[in-house]
Amino acid sequence: KQEVTQIPAALSVPEGENLVLNCSFTDSAIYNLQWFRQDPGKGLTSLLLIQSSQREQTSGRLNASLDKSSGRSTLYIAASQPGDSATYLCAVHPGGNTPLVFGKGTRLSVIA
Amino acid sequence: DTGVSQDPRHKITKRGQNVTFRCDPISEHNRLYWYRQTLGQGPEFLTYFQNEAQLEKSRLLSDRFSAERPKGSFSTLEIQRTEQGDSAMYLCAIQGSWANVLTFGAGSRLTVL
Repeated sequence: KQEVTQIPAALSVPEGENLVLNCSFTDSAIYNLQWFRQDPGKGLTSLLLIQSSQREQTSGRLNASLDKSSGRSTLYIAASQPGDSATYLCAVHPGGNTPLVFGKGTRLSVIA
Repeated sequence: DTGVSQDPRHKITKRGQNVTFRCDPISEHNRLYWYRQTLGQGPEFLTYFQNEAQLEKSRLLSDRFSAERPKGSFSTLEIQRTEQGDSAMYLCAIQGSWANVLTFGAGSRLTVL
């Protein structure tokens, strides 16, 4: 059974810092991995999707990497801003008709 | 506009009452999913549809839960005889055939008193 773990559970950083969020998964046989952002009381917004054949994806100040063999992904946020404060969720698509498996998320606070 | 509209946004009910949530996909899609999320946890899969067909149900979906998708358009999730443990955010998501990206709605928050 696929399990997804996110470390740390919460993170507080001063504005302007670069930061890394970690995601690990137990079964390396995945189809893709997706990072989401969730604001309090809201739904999820897709940030980046990495196919199993890819090593990284970039969007603006965000960069996600994938090391499938070691079961790890990282989300790098450059020059963090208070508006980046949210919960960041990692989700793995095991493939086929199996639905996404989510981690519990990392709650990020960027202090001005 | 996220491509998925959910209603109501928040429902407060007394234990034992029935509630129904509705999901209206706005964007073109292939599959429709229901997830449940409790505080401090990631979303947990409940069920999904491909067109009208309900293809998979999680063991989390007890016999008090039923989901429908008439005519492959909007979907409803009904919870009968609600319990306090049903309090959660119920999220609807769609998946397009052109990509595997999931697009989520804003969710329907259920509070059972």
